[in-house]
Amino acid sequence: ETGVTQSPTHLIKTRGQQVTLRCSSQSGHNTVSWYQQALGQGPQFIFQYYREEENGRGNFPPRFSGLQFPNYSSELNVNALELDDSALYLCASSPGGTGGQETQYFGPGTRLLVL
Amino acid sequence: AQRVTQPEKLLSVFKGAPVELKCNYSYSGSPELFWYVQYSRQRLQLLLRHISRESIKGFTADLNKGETSFHLKKPFAQEEDSAMYYCALRSGGYNKLIFGAGTRLAVHP
Repeated sequence: ETGVTQSPTHLIKTRGQQVTLRCSSQSGHNTVSWYQQALGQGPQFIFQYYREEENGRGNFPPRFSGLQFPNYSSELNVNALELDDSALYLCASSPGGTGGQETQYFGPGTRLLVL
Repeated sequence: AQRVTQPEKLLSVFKGAPVELKCNYSYSGSPELFWYVQYSRQRLQLLLRHISRESIKGFTADLNKGETSFHLKKPFAQEEDSAMYYCALRSGGYNKLIFGAGTRLAVHP
C-alpha cells in the first residue's frame, strides 16, 4: 500500500507567479484535504475534495484553487503569489466522504518559498 | 470561534520524568479531539483520538469538557518521544481539522 505522496518537495517562486502543487492520495482513499503550514504554526485547512468536488473550504482567498481527478489525486493551484504564501503545503487523504470519522493520512509536504 | 490553543512552544524534560502537553479548545458542539505527532524528518501522523480512549506509546489524553481541555500525558518520558506534537479538533460536517500551533517536546538523557 502506497502512502500519500506530494510533488515537488521544494519550490521557489517570485511574487505574482502561479504555482501548482500535486498530491497522490493513499490507495483506496477518495478524499483529499490541503493544509498550509506557516513557519512555527500548525497546519491551517485550505479546502477538501471528495470525489472530484470541493467539499469544504477554509479562510483562504479565491486565488487558492484546487482540482481532484478521477484517480483521486489532487492539485492545489495558487495564483498571484504573495510573500506570505511561503509555507509548507500538506496534503492529507482519507478513505471516506462527507462527515466521516476517518483518519487523515498526511503526505511529506511541499515547501514553497516566494521571493 | 473554533480554536485550539497549545500554550507551550517547547517542553523540555529529562528521561523518565512525567510529561503533560497542554491543549485547550474552543468549540460550540460536541468536539472530536486528536493528537498528531511529527518525529524528526517524518510526516505528520495520528497519535491518538479521544473517542478511542486508548493508550498509544504510553501516551493518554482525556477530554475534559468542563475545562475544554485535552491534555496529553505520559508518566515516564523516553528519548524517542522527542518530537513536535499538535492538538487538533475536527470541525464541521466534513473531515476538517483545526490544529494548534504545536509543542516541541525535548526529552534529554
